[in-house]
Amino acid sequence: AQSVAQPEDQVNVAEGNPLTVKCTYSVSGNPYLFWYVQYPNRGLQFLLKYITGDNLVKGSYGFEAEFNKSQTSFHLKKPSALVSDSALYFCAVRDSSASKIIFGSGTRLSIRP
Amino acid sequence: NAGVTQTPKFRILKIGQSMTLQCAQDMNHNYMYWYRQDPGMGLKLIYYSVGAGITDKGEVPNGYNVSRSTTEDFPLRLELAAPSQTSVYFCASSRLRDRDNSPLHFGNGTRLTVT
Repeated sequence: AQSVAQPEDQVNVAEGNPLTVKCTYSVSGNPYLFWYVQYPNRGLQFLLKYITGDNLVKGSYGFEAEFNKSQTSFHLKKPSALVSDSALYFCAVRDSSASKIIFGSGTRLSIRP
Repeated sequence: NAGVTQTPKFRILKIGQSMTLQCAQDMNHNYMYWYRQDPGMGLKLIYYSVGAGITDKGEVPNGYNVSRSTTEDFPLRLELAAPSQTSVYFCASSRLRDRDNSPLHFGNGTRLTVT
């Protein structure tokens, strides 16, 4: 069975500092990994996805994610946070042998000016 | 393209009532999904479909039913509404294939309250 965990409910960062939002996963086949962002009262928007062979994936709004196969992690990163990055972030995983896409519990990112 | 359209946006139901949440996509996507998001919680998969005529259970299917008679539409049915079904419901679609990691496209959600 596939699963995904986001161990932090909330991450607080000062504007201009780097940020990391953590995600670990478990699948039986090869992982298809995604990050989505949700702004208040909106649906989820796609940020980036893991591409096989690229351990550092670049996405929208200056975000990137680091894939680590041995640690089964796909952490979201940004070198310099903006106040406008404050939102709810979700990691999602699909097992290559299945059709279900499972989401983590979400991490609320708060960037203070 | 309108993308993924969900109706209604808001609904209040009494316990025991039934309703259908509508979801339509105009991107010719084969895969469609229903999720629920409880306050302060992540998304839980209710049902999904890999094509017309094919549906399967997700993580939390109890109390819901779905059908997929066309590629475009994937309605979610609540037969006997319960307070535990108070949530925000999101429909999503993807042109996913077996060895493809196409992302999901989400609708704007339906906020349902059962009292």
